[in-house]
Amino acid sequence: GIQVEQSPPDLILQEGANSTLRCNFSDSVNNLQWFHQNPWGQLINLFYIPSGTKQNGRLSATTVATERYSLLYISSSQTTDSGVYFCAGMSYGQNFVFGPGTRLSVLP
Amino acid sequence: DTEVTQTPKHLVMGMTNKKSLKCEQHMGHRAMYWYKQKAKKPPELMFVYSYEKLSINESVPSRFSPECPNSSLLNLHLHALQPEDSALYLCASSQSSPRTSGYQETQYFGPGTRLLVL
Repeated sequence: GIQVEQSPPDLILQEGANSTLRCNFSDSVNNLQWFHQNPWGQLINLFYIPSGTKQNGRLSATTVATERYSLLYISSSQTTDSGVYFCAGMSYGQNFVFGPGTRLSVLP
Repeated sequence: DTEVTQTPKHLVMGMTNKKSLKCEQHMGHRAMYWYKQKAKKPPELMFVYSYEKLSINESVPSRFSPECPNSSLLNLHLHALQPEDSALYLCASSQSSPRTSGYQETQYFGPGTRLLVL
């Protein structure tokens, strides 16, 4: 099956800083999602982005499908951005596979 | 409305108990999923239901028994669990089966049930 890597594994930021999270896939995917898991465990959909670029407020994401990676940009980070960020992907005939996550702590 | 609900939020059970987890969605989705997430790990797929039929079982022990009584509801029946089964159990849904076009669709997750087995 597909292998998913995420970097960095941990990230500590001061409030107001910007950051880039990366997700690499071992094979091409037709479905790629970014999630934020809050401290209570809820997985919040950020982006469905199998290719291209999307923006939602302070967050944006870019997927380069031909090179099998995706980037999540967080600008002007806030303490509420803390949590774990997962990317996950799937291709036809395979299961949805999550990366190991990036644990983000935003300090006031 | 993109909401998936799960009950209960928390569950503590002994190894001889029988309990059930419940998941509900009213988005008209025809694929529903159970995931298990251990602490500091990503979610791992357990089961997939497509049009109320079990389509994927990821070699899950028989002490976990899924049920899909209708297109909106998904249950996970628990019996004779072990302490290592303690985890966050997440339910998700998507418009279609992952075996057809669902592999190109957004999965929506519920808030999870945090299970502790004593």
